[in-house]
Amino acid sequence: GAVVSQHPSWVICKSGTSVKIECRSLDFQATTMFWYRQFPKQSLMLMATSNEGSKATYEQGVEKDKFLINHASLTLSTLTVTSAHPEDSSFYICSAGRYNEQFFGPGTRLTVL
Amino acid sequence: DAKTTQPTSMDCAEGRAANLPCNHSTISGNEYVYWYRQIHSQGPQYIIHGLKNNETNEMASLIITEDRKSSTLILPHATLRDTAVYYCIVRVATEGAQKLVFGQGTRLTINP
Repeated sequence: GAVVSQHPSWVICKSGTSVKIECRSLDFQATTMFWYRQFPKQSLMLMATSNEGSKATYEQGVEKDKFLINHASLTLSTLTVTSAHPEDSSFYICSAGRYNEQFFGPGTRLTVL
Repeated sequence: DAKTTQPTSMDCAEGRAANLPCNHSTISGNEYVYWYRQIHSQGPQYIIHGLKNNETNEMASLIITEDRKSSTLILPHATLRDTAVYYCIVRVATEGAQKLVFGQGTRLTINP
């Protein structure tokens, strides 16, 4: 149990386009999910906390208008990278909490050309 | 959350025990020690957590010093598949709806 999925696993897009990444908790409900970003050879950096039924909470320095988060249900959160640019190319990872643990998705590799 | 300090990298021979240290000298009384690992290009995987007693599960053992200022994750019989970055995180163990702050972790390489 406690499986988190992400879709797509990888995506390539042109500069200026928007990309949506889905995060699903497959066998449990999660009122809170988290979105992280990871650049090559670096650690995970928390971008935002996604709350079901309310606005996301963004970490300092993360542009909320560029990284749109929607937590539509207790099993689904989406991250939309708007007007993507090459510097947004990264590995995006979501997680969902259950009891005292957090379970991570497999990640989505975004490449912006 | 308390800050942790880990060695940047470690090597271990296959079949031997891998001992990964973590310093968390500013840990608070209600903070737990969590360990996760991340295999290349995958999401982090939960390994184990503990408060003050030593813990063991099917993956690893966690040894926490009596003063709780440091801990050691032990992989008893390391395999090549244990090659990963290991993260030590301290946080209050409330419901899972609490963010994790990742440090740089330890890059563990298991050698044949």
